[in-house]
Amino acid sequence: GAGVSQSPRYKVAKRGQDVALRCDPISGHVSLFWYQQALGQGPEFLTYFQNEAQLDKSGLPSDRFFAERPEGSVSTLKIQRTQQEDSAVYLCASSLSGGGYEQFFGPGTRLTVL
Amino acid sequence: DQQVKQNSPSLSVQEGRISILNCDYTNSMFDYFLWYKKYPAEGPTFLISISSIKDKNEDGRFTVFLNKSAKHLSLHIVPSQPGDSAVYFCAASSNFGNEKLTFGTGTRLTIIP
Repeated sequence: GAGVSQSPRYKVAKRGQDVALRCDPISGHVSLFWYQQALGQGPEFLTYFQNEAQLDKSGLPSDRFFAERPEGSVSTLKIQRTQQEDSAVYLCASSLSGGGYEQFFGPGTRLTVL
Repeated sequence: DQQVKQNSPSLSVQEGRISILNCDYTNSMFDYFLWYKKYPAEGPTFLISISSIKDKNEDGRFTVFLNKSAKHLSLHIVPSQPGDSAVYFCAASSNFGNEKLTFGTGTRLTIIP
């Protein structure tokens, strides 16, 4: 079956540009997570949705980062006025809800800010 | 502060032998632990998990051991195969996996043919 898909796979932005990263979770998965992975590090949590409700956004590094999931399926992570330190791989994961279920990850979007 | 630690950045193991990857955690609220495998340019792939009510979980060649008193878990792969060469991440969660994952920094495993 179809896994988690993300687009674009690669994005190059000039400093100060806005970017939008898309995530299509596995059909029927209630929970959706965004993570940021810097080079040589493990993924770090950004934000979490259960259906359309954003239950935790404690990992968003600044108010330039914004995520939405308006209909409880596709999610978009938006970064405004990108900075060089935003360069990273952005991973999306989805899971069934209720605990005890693994998160399935997409391939990620590699963002490079010049 | 690093709540999940993988102190070995890399590990090399002969094909057919056992690979042991270690992970330590500091947060007592963690009650669900997972191992993910990652190839370059791909997202992490789930391998195996264990909840805090168990001390061992086995799935084929993969076994995870949890020592709650030491706040330590390990992943055993036996026998190791060349396709096992990848970066392995340990991750932990609260609420039995119904919340965000906290990852370690990863261990690069190389299986030598």
